[in-house]
Amino acid sequence: DTGVSQNPRHKITKRGQNVTFRCDPISEHNRLYWYRQTLGQGPEFLTYFQNEAQLEKSRLLSDRFSAERPKGSFSTLEIQRTEQGDSAMYLCASSNRGVDTQYFGPGTRLTVL
Amino acid sequence: DQQVKQNSPSLSVQEGRISILNCDYTNSMFDYFLWYKKYPAEGPTFLISISSIKDKNEDGRFTVFLNKSAKHLSLHIVPSQPGDSAVYFCAALASGSQGNLIFGKGTKLSVKP
Repeated sequence: DTGVSQNPRHKITKRGQNVTFRCDPISEHNRLYWYRQTLGQGPEFLTYFQNEAQLEKSRLLSDRFSAERPKGSFSTLEIQRTEQGDSAMYLCASSNRGVDTQYFGPGTRLTVL
Repeated sequence: DQQVKQNSPSLSVQEGRISILNCDYTNSMFDYFLWYKKYPAEGPTFLISISSIKDKNEDGRFTVFLNKSAKHLSLHIVPSQPGDSAVYFCAALASGSQGNLIFGKGTKLSVKP
């Protein structure tokens, strides 16, 4: 499978715990995006990388959230001290040109109890 | 405050007829617009886009119309097919941004045989 992969697919955690998600983009895609989607809403932009550089970051991303793409390949999204409001689907996408060539992964569903 | 609005949560259309999905936006800085389609348990898939310098873009059965003065765009699907049944998201990108896509809440299209 050469699509965007995300792990884990589901994560259940207790409030206050830290969680980390991984995204593996399509090979040679230099752009990587993270979004969050809650029930009944569209995806909400979190951050954007070009290669290893984090070029854009949503103001909605609190300091509990951090994303990295250390070698310009896979990326991780960490949420510290999770809150119930963090429960959502976390989507990753990659592209080699612009947003209209984005390919989305299946997402990681986070449930914070 | 929603910058991209899809005011119809759902739409039902007969197979073979035209489906028209609408989207309104408020931010004058948006200069690129996209439509995505999403099936359950999958990430969104890019469908079609339009730049603000155009008023129409066509790709097979899909046509997007942009009315900048009204800050309105629409997606026409002709003829509609049962396989088109999905949630459709409108998204917009502001001038100068490469990744901060702003999505609407989506419209669930059901195409009945």
